[in-house]
Amino acid sequence: DTGVSQNPRHKITKRGQNVTFRCDPISEHNRLYWYRQTLGQGPEFLTYFQNEAQLEKSRLLSDRFSAERPKGSFSTLEIQRTEQGDSAMYLCASSPGQSGTEAFFGQGTRLTVV
Amino acid sequence: GNSVTQMEGPVTLSEEAFLTINCTYTATGYPSLFWYVQYPGEGLQLLLKATKADDKGSNKGFEATYRKETTSFHLEKGSVQVSDSAVYFCALSGGSSGGYQKVTFGIGTKLQVIP
Repeated sequence: DTGVSQNPRHKITKRGQNVTFRCDPISEHNRLYWYRQTLGQGPEFLTYFQNEAQLEKSRLLSDRFSAERPKGSFSTLEIQRTEQGDSAMYLCASSPGQSGTEAFFGQGTRLTVV
Repeated sequence: GNSVTQMEGPVTLSEEAFLTINCTYTATGYPSLFWYVQYPGEGLQLLLKATKADDKGSNKGFEATYRKETTSFHLEKGSVQVSDSAVYFCALSGGSSGGYQKVTFGIGTKLQVIP
């Protein structure tokens, strides 16, 4: 197992375009998280899945954002009609779901909206 | 809800100096506490953790003790090296305010160690 994998690593898009990111968690981790990190800030929680069920969405996740985790394996995060304020690093993490266990993070996808 | 407050950086130290990065938290119950590190150009990595009061997490010469009475989890290292230059994030998960293990992060403290 090579850890949490995110693709693409970098994405540059024009304002108004849609983008989709993919996350492949560590196999057998039933919890998957999406975070957003902007320069000089800590990661901010966006949404969380337990298996295929999306159990919480942050108020940071506007209607333009949607996340899925079909079959409880990989996950996608889509941003529609991107805005310059969406420029950030989008981090995916997974955990085995036991109490006290840490989240394992991917390298992130850096989005730049021009 | 849960929250984490950590000292703002940047922190600049000479090699072999003593390091302390303060972290306090707000949570009900007994959360798990973590320090993550982010080296330049890399992803977040777990540095150490503690899951109950008075536990001491340690790794690579770094230590932090879970202090329930002061709701703190300060990071320390006796002698820093240039290779320790990175951003350090204090974080917590669990407690009784949530039914799952979402990790809540502090703002991060940038450490720069100069030769």
